[in-house]
Amino acid sequence: DGGITQSPKYLFRKEGQNVTLSCEQNLNHDAMYWYRQDPGQGLRLIYYSQIVNDFQKGDIAEGYSVSREKKESFPLTVTSAQKNPTAFYLCASSPGNGVYEQYFGPGTRLTVT
Amino acid sequence: GDSVTQMEGPVTLSEEAFLTINCTYTATGYPSLFWYVQYPGEGLQLLLKATKADDKGSNKGFEATYRKETTSFHLEKGSVQVSDSAVYFCALSGYTGGFKTIFGAGTRLFVKA
Repeated sequence: DGGITQSPKYLFRKEGQNVTLSCEQNLNHDAMYWYRQDPGQGLRLIYYSQIVNDFQKGDIAEGYSVSREKKESFPLTVTSAQKNPTAFYLCASSPGNGVYEQYFGPGTRLTVT
Repeated sequence: GDSVTQMEGPVTLSEEAFLTINCTYTATGYPSLFWYVQYPGEGLQLLLKATKADDKGSNKGFEATYRKETTSFHLEKGSVQVSDSAVYFCALSGYTGGFKTIFGAGTRLFVKA
């Protein structure tokens, strides 16, 4: 089955620790995205990547970092510099080449205490 | 700048009622328009899309027509079910922002039995 996987579903960390969220896709999509969703809120774009070894900051990139070393993988690191990291994180991909619909993973709920 | 505005929720309906969720957009060029649905604790799923003016997207009884003259893409369903309870997001992509998608704030729908 093709799709996007995110792991883990729930993640708990202590303040001051960096944490990496996994995102893998087997859809052969060129573009990948990370969004943050807070309770009752819409989606805010953190980072996106159109192609391997290239990525751009979204609207709220401060305190986050990403890498895109492989087409199928786009991990997100939430660093200790992120002031309010507790949120629901969603990864998505899209085919590229003029096809823009996005396919989402199930999300990772991160709680930092 | 480019934007998506959708009606505020929550929207509460009885089963078998008619649903309309309004969505208007501002964009340069000719974007593609989407409706996504998010069930509690899950990622977003593409519900339907339209890529050019006067196109009608449809899926699972939901419909939306791309109206360029009114810059709108309202979501409708003739008879809602309890299982339709979710958050609905209007979105646009393929505008001058390239690979990025702009999402509306989301509209929560509650359907009572």
